[in-house]
Amino acid sequence: TQLLEQSPQFLSIQEGENLTVYCNSSSVFSSLQWYRQEPGEGPVLLVTVVTGGEVKKLKRLTFQFGDARKDSSLHITAAQPGDTGLYLCAGESGAQKLVFGQGTRLTINP
Amino acid sequence: DVKVTQSSRYLVKRTGEKVFLECVQDMDHENMFWYRQDPGLGLRLIYFSYDVKMKEKGDIPEGYSVSREKKERFSLILESASTNQTSMYLCASSFVRPKQYFGPGTRLTVT
Repeated sequence: TQLLEQSPQFLSIQEGENLTVYCNSSSVFSSLQWYRQEPGEGPVLLVTVVTGGEVKKLKRLTFQFGDARKDSSLHITAAQPGDTGLYLCAGESGAQKLVFGQGTRLTINP
Repeated sequence: DVKVTQSSRYLVKRTGEKVFLECVQDMDHENMFWYRQDPGLGLRLIYFSYDVKMKEKGDIPEGYSVSREKKERFSLILESASTNQTSMYLCASSFVRPKQYFGPGTRLTVT
């Protein structure tokens, strides 16, 4: 069974600080996705990384896929209160299925 | 925009009741999924379907069944609800692998 371990599970920081969330596995994934989920809503896709070593940027968010395609990170620069939410990584597990990490609940304090 | 709707946002049922959760997508997607989400456990796949009348077990199918009679509709059935099925249930659909579009979720409480 493929597993994805996210860390940290909870993170509370002040506005303007930087942070990194990690997503690790012993399994290789053909692609990895990051979702953000707001309270009372379903997850919304932020980015998909496909190639080992790939880096994608979405404004202040930087996503990286590990060279071996077993891990990924999400870095947020100068966090804003609007970044608050639950961040989920998900690995493509074949046959259109996704394996999700436990999630990182991020709180940005004004 | 893709829209995935779920029949109820909140549901309270009693132990032993039969529960139906319905999901409808409006983008002609082939694939549909049911997950449950519990704190600290992330999303866990219950069942998925690649096409009408087709279904595949996910990681935690015990106590659940599904029905897909029409392409746009995927139903999750709890034959006899139990308290350990209290959870947030999320439906998703996809066309191009592996991007999934999620509904808003149904928070089910079984008392």
